Amino acid sequence: DVKVTQSSRYLVKRTGEKVFLECVQDMDHENMFWYRQDPGLGLRLIYFSYDVKMKEKGDIPEGYSVSREKKERFSLILESASTNQTSMYLCASKGTASHYGYTFGSGTRLTVV
Amino acid sequence: QQPVQSPQAVILREGEDAVINCSSSKALYSVHWYRQKHGEAPVFLMILLKGGEQKGHEKISASFNEKKQQSSLYLTASQLSYSGTYFCGTGGGSNYKLTFGKGTLLTVNP
Repeated sequence: DVKVTQSSRYLVKRTGEKVFLECVQDMDHENMFWYRQDPGLGLRLIYFSYDVKMKEKGDIPEGYSVSREKKERFSLILESASTNQTSMYLCASKGTASHYGYTFGSGTRLTVV
Repeated sequence: QQPVQSPQAVILREGEDAVINCSSSKALYSVHWYRQKHGEAPVFLMILLKGGEQKGHEKISASFNEKKQQSSLYLTASQLSYSGTYFCGTGGGSNYKLTFGKGTLLTVNP
């Protein structure tokens, strides 16, 4: 089975801190995604990457950046954390075969105080 | 733009059927369906591709109406394990980016 691992399950950070959320997948997938999940809003796409060093903005990229130096690792960076970035962050990966779905990590619950 | 899911919530008794709808204002190339149990990651159920057939998975199946830009998820003879939030994700091209709906909370009671 494909495994997507997010480094932290729970994280508490202070306003203004630079925050790194790490995601690693073990199935050589080209495509990786970062979503945030908030009650009543569903999953919203922050950034995605379809190859090493390639990245594209999703629907809500403001305040975030990403890094993909290796195929298996996709990092989400909060440049200066703010309280409105308190959320559940989900990483996902997908291979290029069209009939495959996303495999999600278990999520990181980030609280910014 | 997020696809619209309906209903927002549904409560069933074990053995009853349910339909969850997903509609988009954009042309669709694919529709994914996921189920998320409380405190867990979303799990992929099935994908429907433009020009493809209706799919099935256990007692859960789905259809895709390309003209109406809609998909429906059918849960028959529901089981307690079907409880969770169901999300549809819609894609418009080859970059595999999905836009998810806000979810439908399904509760199955004994």
